[in-house]
Amino acid sequence: QSALTQPPSASGSPGQSVTISCTGTSSDVGGYNYVSWYQQYPGKAPKLMIYEVSKRPSGVPDRFSGSKSGNTASLTVSGLQAEDEADYYCSSYAGSNPRVFGTGTKVTVL
Amino acid sequence: QVQLQESGPGLVKPSETLSLTCTVSGGSISSYFWSWIRQPPGKGLEWIGYIYYSGSTNYNPSLKSRVTISLDTSKNQFSLNLSSVTAADTAVYYCARDLYARIPEVDCSTTNCYAGWFDPWGQGTLVTVSS
Repeated sequence: QSALTQPPSASGSPGQSVTISCTGTSSDVGGYNYVSWYQQYPGKAPKLMIYEVSKRPSGVPDRFSGSKSGNTASLTVSGLQAEDEADYYCSSYAGSNPRVFGTGTKVTVL
Repeated sequence: QVQLQESGPGLVKPSETLSLTCTVSGGSISSYFWSWIRQPPGKGLEWIGYIYYSGSTNYNPSLKSRVTISLDTSKNQFSLNLSSVTAADTAVYYCARDLYARIPEVDCSTTNCYAGWFDPWGQGTLVTVSS
């Protein structure tokens, strides 16, 4: 099972929105509503931001939202803040290899 | 709140077995799935496998032949053994609680039928494979 495909980088100015894509296949992202997103600062452990495509855990700002269309899931960060500068990873159920991660996207706040 | 802490040697010789333990505090290990995930320096995340409190396990097919995950409910700990390590196994190893969901449309007798997401994570521990 290959890693899900994410763009290496994305950027936006403070206050703007940035959207990160996570592309898989009908056997993973497209087939089930079990995509999750993680935020990771350098040298730190990842943090869950979104689960089941669009659900936010308690404590995650509502500036973070998730969606899915076909084989591509997306994470949108609205009202970008300096603290949103981090790496972001998606993950999906993928059958026999039930937890597959994306390649990761570095978000830069300009 | 649940917290996880990895422990184990930071240096392992090639061909030997990497052994790590994750201690869970603030909650019982006797529920949920519990996963190991790794991240080579400068690279992305890779799921290694999970264990359920019943003892049932599921591993990444690419690592399955070398991985064993076990559980000690009396100590609220779960462990990772990765055998025959090479330099490619050098990574930060994370343990995490795996909040699983049964997928109703998937037949468990033919494939894994549990999706999951990870929360919380341990802080991670760097394991270097070198002689």
